Amino acid sequence: DIQMTQSPSSLAASVGDRVTITCRASQSISTYLNWYQLKPGKAPNLLIYATSSLQNEVPSRFSGSGSGTDFTLTISSLQPEDYATYYCQQSYRTPLTFGQGTKLEIK
Amino acid sequence: QVQLQESGPGLVKPSETLSLTCTVSGGSISNYYWSWIRQPPGKGLEWIGYVSYGGSSNYNPSLKSRVTISLDTSKNHFSLRLNSVTAADTAVYYCARDLGGAYNPVFDQWGQGTLVTVSS
Repeated sequence: DIQMTQSPSSLAASVGDRVTITCRASQSISTYLNWYQLKPGKAPNLLIYATSSLQNEVPSRFSGSGSGTDFTLTISSLQPEDYATYYCQQSYRTPLTFGQGTKLEIK
Repeated sequence: QVQLQESGPGLVKPSETLSLTCTVSGGSISNYYWSWIRQPPGKGLEWIGYVSYGGSSNYNPSLKSRVTISLDTSKNHFSLRLNSVTAADTAVYYCARDLGGAYNPVFDQWGQGTLVTVSS
């Protein structure tokens, strides 16, 4: 299985901050990397697919980059509604695997 | 806008079978792949498997011997069966639409999730 490792596991930041979350794959996955936002009691939300493509209706403050084994999700200016847990997911090979999550908290 | 809704028992006894259904509204279940994903309390996400619009399936090897995912186009829903459950199967279970199919699975629509507890 391809292991996905996110860092940090948790992060405290203030509204307006620029936030970066990293995701590392245990082997090259080209650009087959997606990012999701999870909030308690709500349906998870696809943010970024294929490393850098913004899903419809996702604000442009979210962006993604990387290739091979190293990827990043960046929020350019944190908004109150962005406090959530973020997961990366590789779609290069089954079994599909996710990172362990990064919990973004209010500072 | 497609919406997905999980349904099924919230409590299952050890060694019994967990059965969940995901009803798709606002769109057809045809022409897409459909997955189940779970999240144990305090842990990360685990992909369980998918079923295609043609009825083919692919499962996580860690669960393959116990899982079946099936599709019912007449009812516009798909289902999960997980046999011989233990406490380790306690989790929030999500259903999701796979936008990319078998070659680039991306989950663009999800249900809100349903908590299933395995306990006697």
